Amino acid sequence: GAVVSQHPSRVICKSGTSVKIECRSLDFQATTMFWYRQFPKQSLMLMATSNEGSKATYEQGVEKDKFLINHASLTLSTLTVTSAHPEDSSFYICSVSDRISGSNEKLFFGSGTQLSVL
Amino acid sequence: DAKTTQPNSMESNEEEPVHLPCNHSTISGTDYIHWYRQLPSQGPEYVIHGLTSNVNNRMASLAIAEDRKSSTLILHRATLRDAAVYYCILTNLYNQGGKLIFGQGTELSVKP
Repeated sequence: GAVVSQHPSRVICKSGTSVKIECRSLDFQATTMFWYRQFPKQSLMLMATSNEGSKATYEQGVEKDKFLINHASLTLSTLTVTSAHPEDSSFYICSVSDRISGSNEKLFFGSGTQLSVL
Repeated sequence: DAKTTQPNSMESNEEEPVHLPCNHSTISGTDYIHWYRQLPSQGPEYVIHGLTSNVNNRMASLAIAEDRKSSTLILHRATLRDAAVYYCILTNLYNQGGKLIFGQGTELSVKP
């Protein structure tokens, strides 16, 4: 069964509005979740690392005030795209780490959210 | 992060084996080799990973060169459902938290 639930799978919004995407870890508590963005025919780009109970860590070039991340519990992280514009249209994907030790671990990914901003 | 190089695309026939290569000449001793794949319009899924020895699981096999500068993901019998983008990624032992940096990957198409 699914380990990570991401919702919604698709959203269409008007320019200037804000959109919230949820990522839930179903099978285990996740102190760390990751948010990626993917444009058509391109690879995944890491946007930020979401840390439970603390501020997210953003990758270089990603505006933290534009992409608000909240990780208030061990099973839920949310990404809010604020004042969305057409250039924010993209496939957003979250992932959760089932951490065992070091890098001998694997990530579980959500099914993604296709955001279309009109 | 150490870089990987993969062919942009490969083709395979259904029910035949597929060998997907990955070069990682700058790999360090503490880098694990991970493979993920992404089916169309879905999030990536884990395929396999290894450090030095060859690995097998129900999905695939991972053959790692003796000098660890390259590896090959082997799908023993390709099916149409294996058509996806396959990503070879290095993760460092000390990279706590599981951050993955994706390259361009190899787009595998499977012909019936």
